[in-house]
Amino acid sequence: NAGVTQTPKFQVLKTGQSMTLQCAQDMNHNSMYWYRQDPGMGLRLIYYSASEGTTDKGEVPNGYNVSRLNKREFSLRLESAAPSQTSVYFCASSGGGPFSGNTIYFGEGSWLTVV
Amino acid sequence: AQSVSQHNHHVILSEAASLELGCNYSYGGTVNLFWYVQYPGQHLQLLLKYFSGDPLVKGIKGFEAEFIKSKFSFNLRKPSVQWSDTAEYFCAVNSKGRRALTFGSGTRLQVQP
Repeated sequence: NAGVTQTPKFQVLKTGQSMTLQCAQDMNHNSMYWYRQDPGMGLRLIYYSASEGTTDKGEVPNGYNVSRLNKREFSLRLESAAPSQTSVYFCASSGGGPFSGNTIYFGEGSWLTVV
Repeated sequence: AQSVSQHNHHVILSEAASLELGCNYSYGGTVNLFWYVQYPGQHLQLLLKYFSGDPLVKGIKGFEAEFIKSKFSFNLRKPSVQWSDTAEYFCAVNSKGRRALTFGSGTRLQVQP
């Protein structure tokens, strides 16, 4: 059972380039999330998807777009990368919203550097 | 808006020392509280969670946390740490109607042999 799988694990981009981070979960979860982790700031929510076909902005959505392709997959796209987007990105999923008692499971992270 | 404060940014302990990491949250209503751990180079894993009931929650690897509603706190404790507990620890909170967890900034724990 793979859980939450993210690709790529490492990526270096030049300013202005675009890329998509892929995420898939095999736990039949409804909710999926993208967080970014920066030193001293913990994890901040970028986007959230409560179910297939729905997405909502989190704390720091600017510069990102997401697609909930189906129940399993939730991708994060950087249209024009900026150095401020250098971060570690975590995808996560849960059976329902976290207030419903469901544990959130995280992927292993994607290290993105924008030069 | 809900927020989480972790006042200890970096803690260094010797093996067998006792651990207490502070966590305070700002929301006044009903909350769910979590502690996650991130070992070096790995993803976040759930240590323990509080939803309701007994305010003293026991988690994996000998960790426990106590929810004190009057103090808006959910401190993490372990009586005797091991070198393998070296990791970063994140407190998180969610309140009813919120879309996702709000995380604290994390506490880096370094346990020296």
